[in-house]
Amino acid sequence: DSGVTQTPKHLITATGQRVTLRCSPRSGDLSVYWYQQSLDQGLQFLIQYYNGEERAKGNILERFSAQQFPDLHSELNLSSLELGDSALYFCASSVVGGGAGTDTQYFGPGTRLTVL
Amino acid sequence: GQSLEQPSEVTAVEGAIVQINCTYQTSGFYGLSWYQQHDGGAPTFLSYNALDGLEETGRFSSFLSRSDSYGYLLLQELQMKDSASYFCAVVSYNFNKFYFGSGTKLNVKP
Repeated sequence: DSGVTQTPKHLITATGQRVTLRCSPRSGDLSVYWYQQSLDQGLQFLIQYYNGEERAKGNILERFSAQQFPDLHSELNLSSLELGDSALYFCASSVVGGGAGTDTQYFGPGTRLTVL
Repeated sequence: GQSLEQPSEVTAVEGAIVQINCTYQTSGFYGLSWYQQHDGGAPTFLSYNALDGLEETGRFSSFLSRSDSYGYLLLQELQMKDSASYFCAVVSYNFNKFYFGSGTKLNVKP
């Protein structure tokens, strides 16, 4: 157990809909990262937040947005969903904000999104 | 653009040593990191190299040569539990770009 929690575990929705994925980082971690993993695209970095501020942006679509709240939990909002958005979405956290890939990140179990 | 190349699959026997290579092409290269992912599980961060040379952490070591745009992950004393996919990932300047390779599936046989 990494200490990072993600809800929900599974989500099934229809094209055109909007969903919100939630992530709670490990206690004391200030950075939250979001990743998408699909068969087509592989593993992709989406976005990083550090202490409430956006720190780095990767291959995140304009239909997607994220935020980190004062209690440091984060939400990833996916709108106008398409079939291709079906994927595993992982959240990770780290103590510092050194940037994606540069320090030890602890991954949550992921949310499996299925768009029908 | 950027690209990362790593073998799609590697097989080795328990107790052996295996090296998973990663070559990259990217602008503004800053460092190379490695992740392990078991089937059905979440990725686990293994290492990050920003400087040339070998970094050792227990049975795992990671190497980087910036001049050759090349790195590798070395796994020693292989155990069955090391069967997993291993991803290299490139960090570029300002940490705004972070790209994963397509992963190497390691099969450890008894």
